Amino acid sequence: DVKVTQSSRYLVKRTGEKVFLECVQDMDHENMFWYRQDPGLGLRLIYFSYDVKMKEKGDIPEGYSVSREKKERFSLILESASTNQTSMYLCASSGWTQSYEQYFGPGTRLTVT
Amino acid sequence: KQEVTQIPAALSVPEGENLVLNCSFTDSAIYNLQWFRQDPGKGLTSLLLIQSSQREQTSGRLNASLDKSSGRSTLYIAASQPGDSATYLCAVRGGTASKLTFGTGTRLQVTL
Repeated sequence: DVKVTQSSRYLVKRTGEKVFLECVQDMDHENMFWYRQDPGLGLRLIYFSYDVKMKEKGDIPEGYSVSREKKERFSLILESASTNQTSMYLCASSGWTQSYEQYFGPGTRLTVT
Repeated sequence: KQEVTQIPAALSVPEGENLVLNCSFTDSAIYNLQWFRQDPGKGLTSLLLIQSSQREQTSGRLNASLDKSSGRSTLYIAASQPGDSATYLCAVRGGTASKLTFGTGTRLQVTL
């Protein structure tokens, strides 16, 4: 079974802090994704990566950056956290085979105070 | 820009009923469509993936259909159970093969 893990289930940070969210997948998938999920807005794509050291902006990249130094790991960085970044953050991965089916991690509930 | 709509936003049914969840999308040039389940406060679990060339896909009590030309998909759940209570999301994969566009989901409650 594909396993996608995220470093924290719950996180509380202060405004202005630098925040790192980590995601690891064990299926040797090429593609990895970061989404945020907010009530009434659904899932929105922040960034994705289709290879090591490669990244592409999604629909809402402002205020975020990403890092992919190893194939299995994709990090989301909030350079200076703000209260409007309070949200559920979901990581996913997919391979070029299996019709790009996406597998999700359990999510990180981030609260910025 | 692809838009995905799911109606209704919420649904409550008694245990044992068969039910249909709807998903519509504006751009019919899709690669495939994926249905997910999400339990409160949790991540998404993939239920079914249906290719653009397919009409149906089945897994246990679940059946997904796709009518690409009309921009519609349905998820049929047979003999619903309280454990089916969750939010169901559909997502379409378009021109950039790996990216998904999500609907906002249907929150299903199956009552005893």
